[in-house]
Amino acid sequence: EIVLTQSPGALSLSLGESATLSCRASHSVSSSGLAWYQQKPGQAPRLLIYDASNRATGIPDRFSGSGSGTDFTLTISRLEPEDFAVYSCQQYGSSPPTFGRGTKVEIK
Amino acid sequence: QLHLQESGPGLAKPSETLSLTCSVSGDAITDINYYWGWIRQPPGEGLEWIGTIYYTGGTYYHPSLNSRVTISIDKSKNQFSLRLKSVTAADTATYYCARVPLDGDYADHWGQGTPVTVSS
Repeated sequence: EIVLTQSPGALSLSLGESATLSCRASHSVSSSGLAWYQQKPGQAPRLLIYDASNRATGIPDRFSGSGSGTDFTLTISRLEPEDFAVYSCQQYGSSPPTFGRGTKVEIK
Repeated sequence: QLHLQESGPGLAKPSETLSLTCSVSGDAITDINYYWGWIRQPPGEGLEWIGTIYYTGGTYYHPSLNSRVTISIDKSKNQFSLRLKSVTAADTATYYCARVPLDGDYADHWGQGTPVTVSS
């Protein structure tokens, strides 16, 4: 199965700054089958991005996804208070679907 | 508005069978555009895909759980269910049900999750 490694494990940033989160796959992810989720404590994950770069319904345009093959990036521009959370990537290009361990974005 | 709600016991004993149900409102479980799935998250760990079911009854299970898991669907109640047999402490997790688009195994809507502890 494909192993996803997310980096950094945690990121401390200030309001208004930009965050760049990395997700690296152990093997190439076919058909850009990669999603990003946001999860806050005690809440279910929320889909942000699918197919590597498509924003899910209702997701603000300050969230953007890019990448292909084995390297993918989630960029959050102009961090707002509600953006501080854990972000996880998931690949579904190969079976079984697998998730990364997450990157925690904290307020500096 | 789509809403998924998990229900079931929060405690299971080792070697027993864990059973959870997901009630769906705001969408028909027979919607041809979606699978319905289960995903879990052990405490402090990442998410793990358990499996999915289509309204016709076709299923996919994670290979590591394939021998122990059954996902079923009840179209009359707009519900689907998870059964995981022979549980151990390693199955302690928050279990989420989710809607999964047909064009990709990602979850576009999630239930709130239900914690399950396996302990004697």
